Amino acid sequence: GQNIDQPTEMTATEGAIVQINCTYQTSGFNGLFWYQQHAGEAPTFLSYNVLDGLEEKGRFSSFLSRSKGYSYLLLKELQMKDSASYLCAVTDSNYQLIWGAGTKLIIKP
Amino acid sequence: GAVVSQHPSWVICKSGTSVKIECRSLDFQATTMFWYRQFPKQSLMLMATSNEGSKATYEQGVEKDKFLINHASLTLSTLTVTSAHPEDSSFYICSARVSRESGYNEQFFGPGTRLTVL
Repeated sequence: GQNIDQPTEMTATEGAIVQINCTYQTSGFNGLFWYQQHAGEAPTFLSYNVLDGLEEKGRFSSFLSRSKGYSYLLLKELQMKDSASYLCAVTDSNYQLIWGAGTKLIIKP
Repeated sequence: GAVVSQHPSWVICKSGTSVKIECRSLDFQATTMFWYRQFPKQSLMLMATSNEGSKATYEQGVEKDKFLINHASLTLSTLTVTSAHPEDSSFYICSARVSRESGYNEQFFGPGTRLTVL
């Protein structure tokens, strides 16, 4: 079966750094997405990785290791507005998005 | 970036009535749109894949006669929840797929529709 695992909830302090991990087992791989979702809103795109390595975009970075079936999202200089759910999603061989359950990130002052 | 709109943003209806939700790609054409449902504190669940000019492909466990999908143009897909019941109350989100020249497909999400069935 297809499976994506990520922690259910994480807590971090404003100004700090947090890493959200995602492991996946899917039938084929055509890229991994990270989305941010605030409560009651639709997901918004954060990053896309299809090759191994680190992609940096401002305060957010995303890493992928295809051989390990592993990705992480790194958030630096955390702000209160970063409190949200972070969803990991993998595109399988049929280009269908397989979603993780999401990680709820709580930022404390 | 690509913009996807949904209408209405929220709707409250009586049990047994039908509700239509529209999903539009505003500044691009989308041959493929997706409909998701999200219950509180859960991840997005794909309901169906909507292809312009053809029948939608429904995920296992989703009743095609209850959730009618029409994708009549390259910028509009509609989801109709027929004979809605309280258990259909959920957050319905559509997305439109864009194929990039680099080869990867990206999805842009609509803002979602909150359906409450009384």
